Amino acid sequence: ETGVTQTPRHLVMGMTNKKSLKCEQHLGHNAMYWYKQSAKKPLELMFVYNFKEQTENNSVPSRFSPECPNSSHLFLHLHTLQPEDSALYLCASSQDLTSGGAYGELFFGEGSRLTVL
Amino acid sequence: AQTVTQSQPEMSVQEAETVTLSCTYDTSESNYYLFWYKQPPSRQMILVIRQEAYKQQNATENRFSVNFQKAAKSFSLKISDSQLGDTAMYFCAFMKLKDSSYKLIFGSGTRLLVRP
Repeated sequence: ETGVTQTPRHLVMGMTNKKSLKCEQHLGHNAMYWYKQSAKKPLELMFVYNFKEQTENNSVPSRFSPECPNSSHLFLHLHTLQPEDSALYLCASSQDLTSGGAYGELFFGEGSRLTVL
Repeated sequence: AQTVTQSQPEMSVQEAETVTLSCTYDTSESNYYLFWYKQPPSRQMILVIRQEAYKQQNATENRFSVNFQKAAKSFSLKISDSQLGDTAMYFCAFMKLKDSSYKLIFGSGTRLLVRP
């Protein structure tokens, strides 16, 4: 198993659909992140979870709903998305600072490529 | 608010030669970390090198080194003896030292092509 696994790798959905992205990490980390990567734009931090608690919501529209049932799993529930939401969604994990994690080292998945029609 | 700027959208280098990728940032913080991450085509993004702002010595990792100019808020990445496997998107990133979690702020990236 690779360290951080994201499914599905590709997703096409209509604006009225409801779908979910899944992320699983096998590294024993305590923090998990969702980033949005759009072409020619900086990566945008969306959500941060630390020990299953949401510690950051970077003004993300409510049509994106994260869920973190445990420290190993992270979901991003999608509903009534817009075409401009089409992007690569990256999940990452890290050891938290109190556990001696190396500063700034995020471990990323390969991403879920989302296309909204 | 912190910003990270990468002014070179694309670069190209001949195999075995040296290339430098530029990054500038803006912050009022005195303690922070800077990073270069690499994203190969269709593969996971990985950490290449890290620099603590309070350290004057430039970080090095094998063929990768940085030129950190704190006063100028510049943080460039030098890749020596470029290899075909270095072809990737390279992202510069900033993190405040006092953040409780890793809220990295990324630049828009530089696409590097290493030519055989």
